[in-house]
Amino acid sequence: AQSVSQHNHHVILSEAASLELGCNYSYGGTVNLFWYVQYPGQHLQLLLKYFSGDPLVKGIKGFEAEFIKSKFSFNLRKPSVQWSDTAEYFCAVRGNTGKLIFGQGTTLQVKP
Amino acid sequence: GAVVSQHPSWVICKSGTSVKIECRSLDFQATTMFWYRQFPKQSLMLMATSNEGSKATYEQGVEKDKFLINHASLTLSTLTVTSAHPEDSSFYICSAGQGTFEQYFGPGTRLTVT
Repeated sequence: AQSVSQHNHHVILSEAASLELGCNYSYGGTVNLFWYVQYPGQHLQLLLKYFSGDPLVKGIKGFEAEFIKSKFSFNLRKPSVQWSDTAEYFCAVRGNTGKLIFGQGTTLQVKP
Repeated sequence: GAVVSQHPSWVICKSGTSVKIECRSLDFQATTMFWYRQFPKQSLMLMATSNEGSKATYEQGVEKDKFLINHASLTLSTLTVTSAHPEDSSFYICSAGQGTFEQYFGPGTRLTVT
């Protein structure tokens, strides 16, 4: 069965610090990979996605993620975080069933 | 971009009553809609997948007689929580998709059962 694991549950950073959130998945077939963000009191928004092609994917708001097939990983990165990046971040995987399976989520708190 | 709405955004009901939550795709036709449940500070758990005009497919452990899903048109799916109990209190989120590509999420409905 598909599963997604996010290593960091709660991350606290100062503004301008670099961010990397880990995501590993368990699934043997072809996958689509996603990172979603949920700002306080708001609904889920898509940050970026990987379907195929270049494994380095750039998303909105300066975020990027790298798909490393051999490591079953899809880590999210941002070189310099801002206070407005404070939110909950979810990694998600979709296999051939079409279902999105979400990781546990990572709470990012950016201190001004 | 694609917009998905949910109504109501929050609802309080008494134990034993039923509550209906609507999910609409506003500017596209959704062949598939998904219903998720999110507990505080936790991830989204898929409850069921509904395809327009057919019965919903429920995930293991989700009671289909308790969580009734209807996907009567390409723009509307409804989730009815029947005989609600306090443990059903949660945040319910729907998403809508076209084929096997991106899903678009609604803003969610907070259900509180007293």
